[in-house]
Amino acid sequence: DQQVKQNSPSLSVQEGRISILNCDYTNSMFDYFLWYKKYPAEGPTFLISISSIKDKNEDGRFTVFLNKSAKHLSLHIVPSQPGDSAVYFCAASDSGGGADGLTFGKGTHLIIQP
Amino acid sequence: DAGVIQSPRHEVTEMGQEVTLRCKPISGHNSLFWYRQTMMRGLELLIYFNNNVPIDDSGMPEDRFSAKMPNASFSTLKIQPSEPRDSAVYFCASSFEGGGKSDTQYFGPGTRLTVL
Repeated sequence: DQQVKQNSPSLSVQEGRISILNCDYTNSMFDYFLWYKKYPAEGPTFLISISSIKDKNEDGRFTVFLNKSAKHLSLHIVPSQPGDSAVYFCAASDSGGGADGLTFGKGTHLIIQP
Repeated sequence: DAGVIQSPRHEVTEMGQEVTLRCKPISGHNSLFWYRQTMMRGLELLIYFNNNVPIDDSGMPEDRFSAKMPNASFSTLKIQPSEPRDSAVYFCASSFEGGGKSDTQYFGPGTRLTVL
């Protein structure tokens, strides 16, 4: 039973355009959400996060939107750059602010085409 | 500032052998996590420690797996005996609880384990 789902295994976007990566979750206890980026042969790298008390968080070219009623979040990258090509993982936690293990989606492979 | 350090980066062993994976968390972090990544199941939490104490080991697949954290700067994940289905990439991550940015975990580069 997958509690965090990324239904698009891959996504191809032209350089300079917007990339939108989607994530759905089923556990209503999740209250903190994160996006990680992973290059081959490296560990996941933290990108951006959002608490359930917010519906948007922005950091430079990256914006995460949270729709709690739909149990859906998305990561927007604009403009997309070749270095953004990587696998993006959505992750969630129900720790209420404390340390806890993360539940990950299976990832979306983003390919930025020149 | 050094990130999470894992060793070895690659391990190839034969079925039945004991395998020990090592992790050094980021200095000052008080939570440590072990994850496993496979094609079928993606990234799964195996176990995590807080202040060197195991908090949740419900993700450990079976008794062949064990993890220890003897001090704040070192943890091991041991598989004995190893089986081919244990082949995966094992990641260690650490975080600091209480710093206002909890749940932001920092990952090591992973250990790619192949059991023949």
